[in-house]
Amino acid sequence: DAKTTQPPSMDCAEGRAANLPCNHSTISGNEYVYWYRQIHSQGPQYIIHGLKNNETNEMASLIITEDRKSSTLILPHATLRDTAVYYCIVREPAGNKLTFGGGTRVLVKP
Amino acid sequence: DTAVSQTPKYLVTQMGNDKSIKCEQNLGHDTMYWYKQDSKKFLKIMFSYNNKELIINETVPNRFSPKSPDKAHLNLHINSLELGDSAVYFCASSQNPGGETQYFGPGTRLLVL
Repeated sequence: DAKTTQPPSMDCAEGRAANLPCNHSTISGNEYVYWYRQIHSQGPQYIIHGLKNNETNEMASLIITEDRKSSTLILPHATLRDTAVYYCIVREPAGNKLTFGGGTRVLVKP
Repeated sequence: DTAVSQTPKYLVTQMGNDKSIKCEQNLGHDTMYWYKQDSKKFLKIMFSYNNKELIINETVPNRFSPKSPDKAHLNLHINSLELGDSAVYFCASSQNPGGETQYFGPGTRLLVL
């Protein structure tokens, strides 16, 4: 699976949008971009995933660049409960393991 | 109802002991996993079972032995515990091996003294 690079930490104001970047310059054509998050002392939680097109669900939006070498997870209205470590993962469609990197520690401040 | 549950939540034990962690999922999934999160917070996969068959076995000491009595359960037995085994162990499940979403349990915090 391709390697991803994320900033180690970022702060966000409550109620504002949080934009979390991820670089995956070695991604191959059939690899998906997944986002998970881990709130303190809990197990990781799936957020969203995509291949080429932008995706949106009730939790977040995923914007993937046209060359697919980077992506951005957008939390549209961050709340204090969104404080967590966010992991960007690149994965083959048939691959059944998730390879977690260091993630981005997001702190949402009042 | 908890989708993926683990017992115990906390486990404190002495070096050299043997211990087991249990995992159960009520999602009807075919595939289950064990991950280890060390003190530096890196999450690494250890094992994966699909329909009670082992399909992933990462480089893990053979003191660790997973057992899947049925699709809904995946237990982890650890022999001769060492200080370095102290970590948080997460169980997860997915619909199938290529399943889009993995659902994680709350974790078992193991401390070896």
